[in-house]
Amino acid sequence: DTAVSQTPKYLVTQMGNDKSIKCEQNLGHDTMYWYKQDSKKFLKIMFSYNNKELIINETVPNRFSPKSPDKAHLNLHINSLELGDSAVYFCASSRGTGFSYNEQFFGPGTRLTVL
Amino acid sequence: KNEVEQSPQNLTAQEGEFITINCSYSVGISALHWLQQHPGGGIVSLFMLSSGKKKHGRLIATINIQEKHSSLHITASHPRDSAVYICAVLLSSGSARQLTFGSGTQLTVLP
Repeated sequence: DTAVSQTPKYLVTQMGNDKSIKCEQNLGHDTMYWYKQDSKKFLKIMFSYNNKELIINETVPNRFSPKSPDKAHLNLHINSLELGDSAVYFCASSRGTGFSYNEQFFGPGTRLTVL
Repeated sequence: KNEVEQSPQNLTAQEGEFITINCSYSVGISALHWLQQHPGGGIVSLFMLSSGKKKHGRLIATINIQEKHSSLHITASHPRDSAVYICAVLLSSGSARQLTFGSGTQLTVLP
């Protein structure tokens, strides 16, 4: 069974559309994350959720809204998509809270292309 | 200047060679992660360390907190080790906002 899964794997859409990326983990972890990897392969943290509560929100436009219906799911909704949103988005999870001493498990990534 | 610098940016080695990838950081940290990103894009956490040395199979990671430096070593390298290796540090305050990534080292191991 896949530990951290994301859907869809590829997403191609037009500017101005609203789209969602889903993430699920079956590891029983308490914390989930969303990362963005740009065209230069640079990873940046976007959000972190612990027990369904947002514990950090990096300087991300408010067009991006994470939604966590339960501890195992953290979905990313993006409104009014822009060209600059094209990137690979990774979901991850870890035990406990924060990053300190807990290994992170990554999903396979979702490649978003905005035309 | 990025707070986390990796070197080299690109590395090509022959199968069997001993490989070292370096990560230097300029701020106080509480933990450092080494990640591996496969050619297909998947990311795997290799190590998380805050002091000393860890070993897993042919991979060894070391960290020197005083020198603000970590190294990832691969012994008896193999073509399947070809990937991007990413260093990430958690700053001492522990905020998730402050997990900072290096730009990665592209490793290619030739048969």
